[in-house]
Amino acid sequence: DGGITQSPKYLFRKEGQNVTLSCEQNLNHDAMYWYRQDPGQGLRLIYYSQIVNDFQKGDIAEGYSVSREKKESFPLTVTSAQKNPTAFYLCASSMGTSGAQYFGPGTRLTVL
Amino acid sequence: AQSVSQHNHHVILSEAASLELGCNYSYGGTVNLFWYVQYPGQHLQLLLKYFSGDPLVKGIKGFEAEFIKSKFSFNLRKPSVQWSDTAEYFCAGQRDAGNMLTFGGGTRLMVKP
Repeated sequence: DGGITQSPKYLFRKEGQNVTLSCEQNLNHDAMYWYRQDPGQGLRLIYYSQIVNDFQKGDIAEGYSVSREKKESFPLTVTSAQKNPTAFYLCASSMGTSGAQYFGPGTRLTVL
Repeated sequence: AQSVSQHNHHVILSEAASLELGCNYSYGGTVNLFWYVQYPGQHLQLLLKYFSGDPLVKGIKGFEAEFIKSKFSFNLRKPSVQWSDTAEYFCAGQRDAGNMLTFGGGTRLMVKP
């Protein structure tokens, strides 16, 4: 089955710890994205990558980092510098940056 | 600044009622527009998209949307909703190819059986 997988589905961490969220796609899409979803605020772009080994900051990149070493994978690290990390994180991919984006199931991160 | 706004945060309808969810965008020029739906516990899914051509776009599950350039709007419609349409709906816009999507705040629709 082609699609986007995110793991884990639920993640709990203590304040001050870094945590990495996984995103994998087998759609052969060039572009990948990370969004944060908070109630009433829609989706806000954290980082995006148009090709391997290249990525750009989105609207709310502070406190986050990413890597794009393989086309299929775009992991997101939520660092201790992120002031309000508890949220639902969505990964997406698209063939190019002008095409429709397809989303993974999301990871709900709770920082205790 | 580019923005997309959805006026209704919560909508409650009875089955068979007609639906119209508002979406407005604030930038000019060429624009691509999308509606996504997120059913409870499921992935965000693409309902329909507008890139160019016929301003009335038909999507999956009986949904349609109309691009009205003069009103900067892309409202989502369905003539008769079902209980299974209960979900959160997001409008998104993209100014020109290569620009990132901007999402509206979402509208939670509840359809009463």
